[in-house]
Amino acid sequence: NAGVTQTPKFQVLKTGQSMTLQCAQDMNHEYMSWYRQDPGMGLRLIHYSVGAGITDQGEVPNGYNVSRSTTEDFPLRLLSAAPSQTSVYFCASMASGREQYFGPGTRLTVT
Amino acid sequence: RKEVEQDPGPFNVPEGATVAFNCTYSNSASQSFFWYRQDCRKEPKLLMSVYSSGNEDGRFTAQLNRASQYISLLIRDSKLSDSATYLCVVNMPSGYALNFGKGTSLLVTP
Repeated sequence: NAGVTQTPKFQVLKTGQSMTLQCAQDMNHEYMSWYRQDPGMGLRLIHYSVGAGITDQGEVPNGYNVSRSTTEDFPLRLLSAAPSQTSVYFCASMASGREQYFGPGTRLTVT
Repeated sequence: RKEVEQDPGPFNVPEGATVAFNCTYSNSASQSFFWYRQDCRKEPKLLMSVYSSGNEDGRFTAQLNRASQYISLLIRDSKLSDSATYLCVVNMPSGYALNFGKGTSLLVTP
């Protein structure tokens, strides 16, 4: 099992550019989430999904879109990047009522 | 008020010391509790789940007090390799994702 994988590991964007952060898991987990982590702020939930075709907003959803067309994949889209979106992004998956497994993270800088 | 609150530290302790971290949570409906460990610039990893009766895993002991909405983590005989940030984690009311505390930083020194 690869667990949770994320690509890319690092990305630099200019303000206004768009991009998609990829996330995949091979554990057949129903639930997947995206978090961002900023210094002094801890992990904050952006969006989450309880299964294919179902997504919902977390604590900080503005500026991000998600979709869940398959159980395995949960991409995060930045439609128009802003410097405030400079952060480390973690994707996670979990089975119901169990612990979450995290991907290695994507370090995004928006200039 | 944040859902999960922790003392950010840092806690600086010598090798061999015992150190305790505390955490409070605001949602009395929460059912699942965890301690995660995060090393610098790495993803969080599960350290241990926290059960109502308390549980121990080697040098680590976790306790849950539902009445006070309080979780603790005790580390005995600290090792240099225990230096990390420890995250208190509580499931969200929906059960579909987790609420993370901001973490407590631990530095174990020789």
